[in-house]
Amino acid sequence: EAQVTQNPRYLITVTGKKLTVTCSQNMNHEYMSWYRQDPGLGLRQIYYSMNVEVTDKGDVPEGYKVSRKEKRNFPLILESPSPNQTSLYFCASSLVWGEKLFFGSGTQLSVL
Amino acid sequence: DQQVKQNSPSLSVQEGRISILNCDYTNSMFDYFLWYKKYPAEGPTFLISISSIKDKNEDGRFTVFLNKSAKHLSLHIVPSQPGDSAVYFCAAGVKGAGSYQLTFGKGTKLSVIP
Repeated sequence: EAQVTQNPRYLITVTGKKLTVTCSQNMNHEYMSWYRQDPGLGLRQIYYSMNVEVTDKGDVPEGYKVSRKEKRNFPLILESPSPNQTSLYFCASSLVWGEKLFFGSGTQLSVL
Repeated sequence: DQQVKQNSPSLSVQEGRISILNCDYTNSMFDYFLWYKKYPAEGPTFLISISSIKDKNEDGRFTVFLNKSAKHLSLHIVPSQPGDSAVYFCAAGVKGAGSYQLTFGKGTKLSVIP
């Protein structure tokens, strides 16, 4: 089944404790992206990747890192999480830029 | 500066009637537009898209209209069904090289009343 898989679905952590949210797609998509969804703010793009080893900042990249060492994986790294990073995170992918995005089921992160 | 605006946070419609969801944008560089639907506890799913070279695109019960001069697009759902109750996001992007971001609106929660 074609899908974008994020893990974990739920995560509670404390300020400053490094964490990684994984994202994997099995559709051989070139374009991958991370979004966060906050009440009243909709979906905002954090980082995106056009292909392996090609990443760039979105609208709200501060406090986040990404890497794209393999085509299928695009992990989101929070080196030192803070409470303002408490949010619902979505990973998405598309065959190439400009095609429709397929989203994962989301990761609800709480930073205490 | 919010480049994609969905000014109605919520909308209620009777089953069988038409639902019209609106979206305005400010960036004249946007040349393609998409609508996504989101149920609680799920990721958004693609619904329909339109390129700036068109002013209308249909897919079954869903039609998207684009008015470039007004920088406005709308999603029509006819007839509305209870299963359409969800949050709808409008998104816009530039297909040309140099900008690879998709900008989303804040969403409109549609409730279809049986």
